[in-house]
Amino acid sequence: GNSVTQMEGPVTLSEEAFLTINCTYTATGYPSLFWYVQYPGEGLQLLLKATKADDKGSNKGFEATYRKETTSFHLEKGSVQVSDSAVYFCALMGSSASKIIFGSGTRLSIRP
Amino acid sequence: GAVVSQHPSWVICKSGTSVKIECRSLDFQATTMFWYRQFPKQSLMLMATSNEGSKATYEQGVEKDKFLINHASLTLSTLTVTSAHPEDSSFYICSALRPGQNSPLHFGNGTRLTVT
Repeated sequence: GNSVTQMEGPVTLSEEAFLTINCTYTATGYPSLFWYVQYPGEGLQLLLKATKADDKGSNKGFEATYRKETTSFHLEKGSVQVSDSAVYFCALMGSSASKIIFGSGTRLSIRP
Repeated sequence: GAVVSQHPSWVICKSGTSVKIECRSLDFQATTMFWYRQFPKQSLMLMATSNEGSKATYEQGVEKDKFLINHASLTLSTLTVTSAHPEDSSFYICSALRPGQNSPLHFGNGTRLTVT
């Protein structure tokens, strides 16, 4: 079945550091890929998405490229801010679009 | 603004009682809603898929008699935790599927359940 694997956290960085959170997936067909963010005490919000190979999703300085050859969708940001501290979830929606499978989440903490 | 409203945001109940959590889609009709449980180390577990007008589909290992799901209308799904126990204490999150939109899945803000 479909699955998502993302790097374990927590990840702690200094402000303005470069961020990478790895995500790989297993799926049949052509899934859509997502990154969701969860701020403390809140539900999940869509951060960015990509629906086909080589698509790049971007939002708020974050980027992720859908790499079919490596089955990856790594999240990157060139310069993180304290306000980026949150839990980040990589997710996959299969071709049937019946449900979304989430990775285990990566907690990111940014220190001033 | 929020397109999915989840209520209550937190609830404390005594062991043995039942608790109902509501999930409403505010400006669209959601034939499909999902219920997740989030564990302390943030892992998000899909509990069940709620389909309007039919029985919910539960994931393996989720007790359907304990976690009752009702999706009686196109804008409302409810999760009832029956005979709650301390181990049911958790963060429960609902989401509604909105196909064709930029963001297909809209989440409620979650409900923190504490069973004493």
